[in-house]
Amino acid sequence: EDKVVQSPLSLVVHEGDTVTLNCSYEVTNFRSLLWYKQEKKAPTFLFMLTSSGIEKKSGRLSSILDKKELFSILNITATQTGDSAVYLCAVWAGANSKLTFGKGITLSVRP
Amino acid sequence: DTGVSQDPRHKITKRGQNVTFRCDPISEHNRLYWYRQTLGQGPEFLTYFQNEAQLEKSRLLSDRFSAERPKGSFSTLEIQRTEQGDSAMYLCASSLIRGKAYNEQFFGPGTRLTVL
Repeated sequence: EDKVVQSPLSLVVHEGDTVTLNCSYEVTNFRSLLWYKQEKKAPTFLFMLTSSGIEKKSGRLSSILDKKELFSILNITATQTGDSAVYLCAVWAGANSKLTFGKGITLSVRP
Repeated sequence: DTGVSQDPRHKITKRGQNVTFRCDPISEHNRLYWYRQTLGQGPEFLTYFQNEAQLEKSRLLSDRFSAERPKGSFSTLEIQRTEQGDSAMYLCASSLIRGKAYNEQFFGPGTRLTVL
């Protein structure tokens, strides 16, 4: 059975800190790894990673995938209170396009 | 608003009642997915459709659950004889698939079900 594990499960930081969120996976026929941000509503898409070692960047957020070690990290620099959310990692594997999600990491950014 | 919409946003029901949720995907999207999310967990896959065909159902989808997408546009998810364990957020997502390429799934706002 496909498995996605995120760590830590929760994190509290102060504004301006840099955080690293981890996601490891064990799946059959890996295709892509995705990061979503979820505030008190539907998940919103952040990144999709398919190739190892290629960093994707959007503003203060960046992410990279290591297909050999089967993990990904999501970095957020200069955190702001608006970054407070649950960050979900999901993997697309196999012939269909369903996503297998981790439990999510709850990030709280204090002013 | 041209995103994914879901109705109702909240539903409170008594144990044993039937409930039905509706999802309207982004109009040109051919794939539609249903997920369930409980507190402290990530979304769990329930089922998905390619146009009107239901292509996969999770083991989580007991025989009390049924989903349809009759014309390949909107979809309904029905839960019969609800149980307290069915209380969750039910998320719908849609995507446009061409060939083997993957495109991101866009999520709707969800329907929060509370079974008393």
